[in-house]
Amino acid sequence: DGGITQSPKYLFRKEGQNVTLSCEQNLNHDAMYWYRQDPGQGLRLIYYSQIVNDFQKGDIAEGYSVSREKKESFPLTVTSAQKNPTAFYLCASSLVADNNEQFFGPGTRLTVL
Amino acid sequence: EDQVTQSPEALRLQEGESSSLNCSYTVSGLRGLFWYRQDPGKGPEFLFTLYSAGEEKEKERLKATLTKKESFLHITAPKPEDSATYLCALIQGAQKLVFGQGTRLTINP
Repeated sequence: DGGITQSPKYLFRKEGQNVTLSCEQNLNHDAMYWYRQDPGQGLRLIYYSQIVNDFQKGDIAEGYSVSREKKESFPLTVTSAQKNPTAFYLCASSLVADNNEQFFGPGTRLTVL
Repeated sequence: EDQVTQSPEALRLQEGESSSLNCSYTVSGLRGLFWYRQDPGKGPEFLFTLYSAGEEKEKERLKATLTKKESFLHITAPKPEDSATYLCALIQGAQKLVFGQGTRLTINP
């Protein structure tokens, strides 16, 4: 089945730790995205990538880092510089063409202990 | 600045009671507007894309419409399984999406 997978589903982080969230897709999409969702708020874009080895900052990139070494994979690292990382993180992908819809993974819920 | 505002924040209906959700937007040149459905603890599921004023799309009990300033998601004779948060989003250059905060819909049996 084609789709987007995210792991883990739940992640707990101690203060001062970096953690990496995984996102893999087998839809042959060129573009991939990371969003953050807080309770009662819409999704906010963290980073996006339209091609391998290239990515751009979104609206709230501070305290996060990404890599895009393979077309299928777009991992997100939440660094210790992110002061309020507790949130629901969503990965998405799309074709690189005007107005193509983005398809979302199941999400990772990150909690800081 | 492109903005998306959804109303109401929450809506509770009885099964079979039709209603509409609103998505108001401001954008310099509309490239497209998306509707998504999101169940608790899950990723959003794509419903519709609308590109120009006057366009309408339907899927089962849902119909999305678009004007120059807002979009409506009409739900006809809803069932409890239609309960979810409905999100709308604008396309903003380079395929970036700007999301509204969502409308949480509850359908009581």
